[in-house]
Amino acid sequence: QVQLVESGGGVVQPGRSLRLSCAASGFTFSSNGMHWVRQAPDKGLEWVAVISNDGRDKYYADSVKGRFTISRDNSKNTLYLQMNSLSAADTAVYYCAKGKGFIDYWGQGTLVTASS
Amino acid sequence: DIVMTQSPDSLAVSLGERATINCKSSQSVLYSSDNKNYLAWYQQKPGQPPKLLIYWASTRESGVPDRFSGSGSGTDFTLTISSLQAEDVAVYYCQQYYSTPFTFGPGTKVDIK
Repeated sequence: QVQLVESGGGVVQPGRSLRLSCAASGFTFSSNGMHWVRQAPDKGLEWVAVISNDGRDKYYADSVKGRFTISRDNSKNTLYLQMNSLSAADTAVYYCAKGKGFIDYWGQGTLVTASS
Repeated sequence: DIVMTQSPDSLAVSLGERATINCKSSQSVLYSSDNKNYLAWYQQKPGQPPKLLIYWASTRESGVPDRFSGSGSGTDFTLTISSLQAEDVAVYYCQQYYSTPFTFGPGTKVDIK
């Protein structure tokens, strides 16, 4: 069965960086696009970024463009999100998700809190 | 960017009754080359990640009960729960994947009356 397990979340000071990871299993990782989606406390879903199956194509939400970088290592079945210059507005649960456009599987999420 | 709106913000429906959620996109998400609407619906229960219900506006995901149906085309879409069950209490989101940045609607909370 498909499993997506996020890690790397935690408390970080504003202005600092954090890297999230997502370990994928149960499907052919290298054949699938992958997303990051976030959800601030008691708020709705916000799409963050998507990467193509081969890692060549990457697209971002305006709110994170220039600060966040999505990447993947198909040899390790792992998706990443490098987050720089974090602010309180980035505080959220970050979900790793499988799909090219629509999302058919979601991880359980990892909480990122940007606070001094 | 395509802006997604949903109505109502919340609704309460009696068990066994119909629930209808509307979703509107600021521009058409119908791709002329394949005649598909790039619109999905998700259900999110408290403390859980979202779950895919519907894609291509009207295709039910495997395992989703047939009381859930999606309809609409272009800019106007509807998610219908034909006979509300207790386990359907959740927040429902629409999402367009026609163009990046992909965007979600603000969500509609469904409760039991």
